[in-house]
Amino acid sequence: EAQVTQNPRYLITVTGKKLTVTCSQNMNHEYMSWYRQDPGLGLRQIYYSMNVEVTDKGDVPEGYKVSRKEKRNFPLILESPSPNQTSLYFCASSLSRSSYEQYFGPGTRLTVT
Amino acid sequence: KNEVEQSPQNLTAQEGEFITINCSYSVGISALHWLQQHPGGGIVSLFMLSSGKKKHGRLIATINIQEKHSSLHITASHPRDSAVYICAALDNYGQNFVFGPGTRLSVLP
Repeated sequence: EAQVTQNPRYLITVTGKKLTVTCSQNMNHEYMSWYRQDPGLGLRQIYYSMNVEVTDKGDVPEGYKVSRKEKRNFPLILESPSPNQTSLYFCASSLSRSSYEQYFGPGTRLTVT
Repeated sequence: KNEVEQSPQNLTAQEGEFITINCSYSVGISALHWLQQHPGGGIVSLFMLSSGKKKHGRLIATINIQEKHSSLHITASHPRDSAVYICAALDNYGQNFVFGPGTRLSVLP
C-alpha cells in the first residue's frame, strides 16, 4: 500500500531534549516536505527536499534540521526543542514538486513542556 | 510574500446542495493545491492544478491564473464531505507552498 509513515504519532518532551521525527515513503517520490499546523496560523512549510542530498528552507525553518540521505526517508530533527515548537507536524511526499499531488503522513502531535 | 485567502471561512450546507469554496492569492504562482482535512486531522490531497479545470467524482477544481483565483466545487454534497478544505499556492520559483487558512464545511443530513 502506497503510504507516508511518521513516527512517533504523539510525543511529549521537555525543553532542550533533542528529538527526531521520522518520515518514510514507499512510492519512490522525489519531493518530500515537512509542515507544521497551529491554530489560527494554519499549515506552514518548514523544510522541503527535491531529491537525495537536496534540501531547502520553507517559511519557518528556525529551530529545525532535516536530512535526505536516502530517497525514502526525510527525518525532522529538533536539536533543542522549545515550547513554541509544540504543534502538529505533517510530512508529505509527491512524485515531483509541481505536477503531482502530495501524499500526507498521519501527523505527529508534539508537546514541548 | 504570497498571501493566500479563502472564502467563506465557515460554510454549513444541506445534503445535496452545490458548494463553492474560493481561494485567491496575491502574487503569481506555478500551481495550486487543494487539500481536505478530516475531523480526525488526516490530510488528503484533492487536486494540483496550474491551469483550467480538473474533475474527480463530485469534486471540480478550477483555476484562473491571470485573475489569481481558484474555486473548489462539490456537487450533490453529502455529510461525509464535512471537513476543512485548504488551498496551497506553490510560488513561481517552485520553492515552497503557502497555505490558505482553510474553509470549514459542515453538510447536514
